Amino acid sequence: SQQGEEDPQALSIQEGENATMNCSYKTSINNLQWYRQNSGRGLVHLILIRSNEREKHSGRLRVTLDTSKKSSSLLITASRAADTASYFCATDGKYGNKLVFGAGTILRVKS
Amino acid sequence: EAGVVQSPRYKIIEKKQPVAFWCNPISGHNTLYWYLQNLGQGPELLIRYENEEAVDDSQLPKDRFSAERLKGVDSTLKIQPAELGDSAVYLCASSLRRGPGKVGGELFFGEGSRLTVL
Repeated sequence: SQQGEEDPQALSIQEGENATMNCSYKTSINNLQWYRQNSGRGLVHLILIRSNEREKHSGRLRVTLDTSKKSSSLLITASRAADTASYFCATDGKYGNKLVFGAGTILRVKS
Repeated sequence: EAGVVQSPRYKIIEKKQPVAFWCNPISGHNTLYWYLQNLGQGPELLIRYENEEAVDDSQLPKDRFSAERLKGVDSTLKIQPAELGDSAVYLCASSLRRGPGKVGGELFFGEGSRLTVL
């Protein structure tokens, strides 16, 4: 079963534009992570935000977390063609050591 | 530093045949995971090891799937016999700390083993 649900399922933008992906989840969490997966490759960790944090930055990435709404968003600014990939949110439940992934958002950045 | 290594990258077999996947985690990572990823979906946990102990195998179909992690390092995932529905990517991941709930508990993934069952 998958805890997180990403929205939209697919996103197509022009190079230089910003890309925003959303993740909603169902149960209380310890932290939330975002991963990127290029086609045919493994997942790569992007950023981790703890349940007591509201916003976090890493380079061109900005992640927000709203635990009251059980949602998170990933913003990629000034997107590049190399950002084309699938992006997954993953939640770590409050009482377990299990990282549960959503179905992902497919991002396509056109040059 | 070498990443998580998986083999084979691709495997095509006929149904009812056995298949095995191998994973070598990042040196020093005590936690190892096997995930299943179907096309267009996120990874789903099959089994998690802490050192050589399987601490979460609730999603592993034990009638046909088995896994082992000898000496708490390399791991092997086996399917016998394979069914058509087993066609998927099998991902191995490792992490430094106990479970993803701790600080720095991000997972490091291998490239995956893509299985096609005909």
